[in-house]
Parts: sequence; C-alpha cells; structure tokens
Amino acid sequence: DTGVSQDPRHKITKRGQNVTFRCDPISEHNRLYWYRQTLGQGPEFLTYFQNEAQLEKSRLLSDRFSAERPKGSFSTLEIQRTEQGDSAMYLCASSSGGSDTQYFGPGTRLTVL
Amino acid sequence: DQQVKQNSPSLSVQEGRISILNCDYTNSMFDYFLWYKKYPAEGPTFLISISSIKDKNEDGRFTVFLNKSAKHLSLHIVPSQPGDSAVYFCAASDTSDYKLSFGAGTTVTVRA
Repeated sequence: DTGVSQDPRHKITKRGQNVTFRCDPISEHNRLYWYRQTLGQGPEFLTYFQNEAQLEKSRLLSDRFSAERPKGSFSTLEIQRTEQGDSAMYLCASSSGGSDTQYFGPGTRLTVL
Repeated sequence: DQQVKQNSPSLSVQEGRISILNCDYTNSMFDYFLWYKKYPAEGPTFLISISSIKDKNEDGRFTVFLNKSAKHLSLHIVPSQPGDSAVYFCAASDTSDYKLSFGAGTTVTVRA
C-alpha cells in the first residue's frame, strides 16, 4: 500500500505563469484535502473534496486558484498568474469515510521568482 | 484568527528524558485532536490522535492528554530519542466539516 503521493516535489516558476500540481490519495480514501504551508507556520486549509464533489473552499483560495477531482481519485490544484506570495509548500492529504485522521503527502514546494 | 496555538516554538531535551509539548485551542466545537511530526522537506506524519470523549490516549512512547475544560492538550514522549528531533504540530477538527486547524509547531531537539 502506498501513501499519498504528490507531483512535482519542487516547482520554480516566474511570476505570471500558471502551474498545476497533482495529488494521488491513498487508495479508496474518499476525502481529499489541500493545505498550504509557509515558513514558520502550520499548514492552512485550502479546500476539501468528498469523492468528486468540492465541499468547501477557504477564503485563502483566491479566484486564481482552482482544484478538481474529476473521477473521485487523483486531484489537481492549479494556480493561474502566479505571484511571489504564492511561494509555499502545497500539501495534499486524504482520509477514509470512517476515520477523521488525515494522512499527508510529501508536498510540492513552489517558488515564484 | 488562530484557533490552535502552540506557544513554545522550541524545546530542547536530553536523550532518555521526557518531552512535553503543549497546545491550546479556542474553538469549543473542536472534537478531534491530532499530533503530527514533520521533518524538513517532507509532509507531516501522523503520530497520535484523541477524541473529545477521552482524556488520554497512549501509543508506545507517545501519550496525548486532553483537558477539555481548559481547552488544552499535551503530547508526552518518553523516553525521548534522537530520531524524535523534528517539528511537531498540534491539529484540531470539528467533525462536522473535517478540515484541520494547525498550530504553528514546536521544534524539538533531542540532545545526546
């Protein structure tokens, strides 16, 4: 059994470019979460899916951010017109319906130049 | 508004001694609490959790205590080992919406 995987692990981009990250949750986990972590802080909730339905979005998720989970399995997080303030670690987590424990992937480190 | 607070940014402890990490929360709707451990450049790793119906949960060297009236929880690691050196995050959720609120973390250094 593999854990949560994320791709890429690192992304360096220029301001104004679009980036897309992928998350593959633990098999059969129906809930998938995206968080963002900046230096010296704990992870902050961005959005949450149950199966393919996006059930909640944080106010941190501006209009430049969009997330999808089209078949209820993997998810993508896209950031359009990146800004330097988007530089952070983007974390994905998943959990099963019968448990409240979330298991995290290794994260994608985004650097916007 | 930070709903979960870890007021000690760092903790240094000698190998073999007890490490005690503290966490306070403000949202009375939180009913599930977790501790995660994080190494640099990795995602958080789940350590231990506790439901609000309990006041203690133990798993090997790790014990979590919950004081609901004080809105306070703590993580005890005994005995501390060099591999325990990491950043520890306290997290809480209201199981009506499942999203986790995290503290800012405590960096633990275990000295040989």
